[in-house]
Amino acid sequence: GIQVEQSPPDLILQEGANSTLRCNFSDSVNNLQWFHQNPWGQLINLFYIPSGTKQNGRLSATTVATERYSLLYISSSQTTDSGVYFCAATSLIQGAQKLVFGQGTRLTINP
Amino acid sequence: DGGITQSPKYLFRKEGQNVTLSCEQNLNHDAMYWYRQDPGQGLRLIYYSQIVNDFQKGDIAEGYSVSREKKESFPLTVTSAQKNPTAFYLCASSRQGAASGGSYNEQFFGPGTRLTVL
Repeated sequence: GIQVEQSPPDLILQEGANSTLRCNFSDSVNNLQWFHQNPWGQLINLFYIPSGTKQNGRLSATTVATERYSLLYISSSQTTDSGVYFCAATSLIQGAQKLVFGQGTRLTINP
Repeated sequence: DGGITQSPKYLFRKEGQNVTLSCEQNLNHDAMYWYRQDPGQGLRLIYYSQIVNDFQKGDIAEGYSVSREKKESFPLTVTSAQKNPTAFYLCASSRQGAASGGSYNEQFFGPGTRLTVL
């Protein structure tokens, strides 16, 4: 099945810095999502982005489907951005139901 | 308010007992899913359902069972056959379960249930 790998596993930054999180996937995808998991465990939807570029405030994401990677950008980081960011994808072959998650990137923003 | 609710928030179980986790959605979504998360890990798919009265096994279905008698509800039973049930369980839904592409397949998650086996 599809493999999803995220990097880096941990990222520690000062408030105000910019960050880039990467997600590599092994097959063609028909669904790619980015999530932020808050300290209580809730998964917050950030982007649905199987291809192209989207922006939402200080966050933006780009998926280059032909090269099988996606990037999440966070600009002017705030302490509330801390948490674990997950990328998840489903492959065209396996169907839209099997959302496979990466291991996550733990982001810590220090004041 | 539209959304996905899960109950209870915390659940403690003795070894050998079956327990049922509740998941309800009022988003009128066709598809529902159950995932398991272990500490420091990503989520893994247990079961999913594209339509009422139908469901399929995910990657780690052994020791779990589900039912889908109503569109709004997708309860998960953790049976005594599950060897290591202590985990965080998350329920999700999407507008469509078919492989039709588009944002209909975007999944939204409930707040989760933390299950601990004593």
